Amino acid sequence: GAGVSQSPSNKVTEKGKDVELRCDPISGHTALYWYRQSLGQGLEFLIYFQGNSAPDKSGLPSDRFSAERTGGSVSTLTIQRTQQEDSAVYLCASSPGLASRTQYFGPGTRLTVL
Amino acid sequence: QKEVEQNSGPLSVPEGAIASLNCTYSDRGSQSFFWYRQYSGKSPELIMFIYSNGDKEDGRFTAQLNKASQYVSLLIRDSQPSDSATYLCAVIGGANSKLTFGKGITLSVRP
Repeated sequence: GAGVSQSPSNKVTEKGKDVELRCDPISGHTALYWYRQSLGQGLEFLIYFQGNSAPDKSGLPSDRFSAERTGGSVSTLTIQRTQQEDSAVYLCASSPGLASRTQYFGPGTRLTVL
Repeated sequence: QKEVEQNSGPLSVPEGAIASLNCTYSDRGSQSFFWYRQYSGKSPELIMFIYSNGDKEDGRFTAQLNKASQYVSLLIRDSQPSDSATYLCAVIGGANSKLTFGKGITLSVRP
């Protein structure tokens, strides 16, 4: 079937605005992850979902960042009051879950905060 | 701070040569090890995963894991220009599921 999809592919916003990024995992994958890749930086973990619950939110950089997952499928990452340092590529990955930890990445959303 | 370290690059090899990419990790409880390839402007693509000590081969790629030395490597045989990309080493620790990534090494295969 289809791979992980993300939307939008690109998002340009003004500082202080809120943005929502969407991830649609591979069908049947119970685990979903959000990562961030900034220019010149490595991939940084943000949050992990198993089903609809988030056992690990340790990577969220501030309380402006939140994420939810509904129906064990689609996830939304919300960034409130965006700052220029939030500019990055936001990557979503999914895995089958406890049976396999192999993660497959979506194409990413490039966020630019002006 | 659990860390994953990769050789500083870039690494340049001639076409047909073996490219050797190395990675060390600090969390001795790490259980799962992955190599991803990332072309410029694209998302990471899984190349290999390895869970047990020893070698694992898949086509031109061989992953090697030595848990005692906390070392994992990727060998690319008969390197092709299309292998030119950034290679990311990633590790999953014992108690969690998140991937911790190295900074990546850029490989250039010269025709």
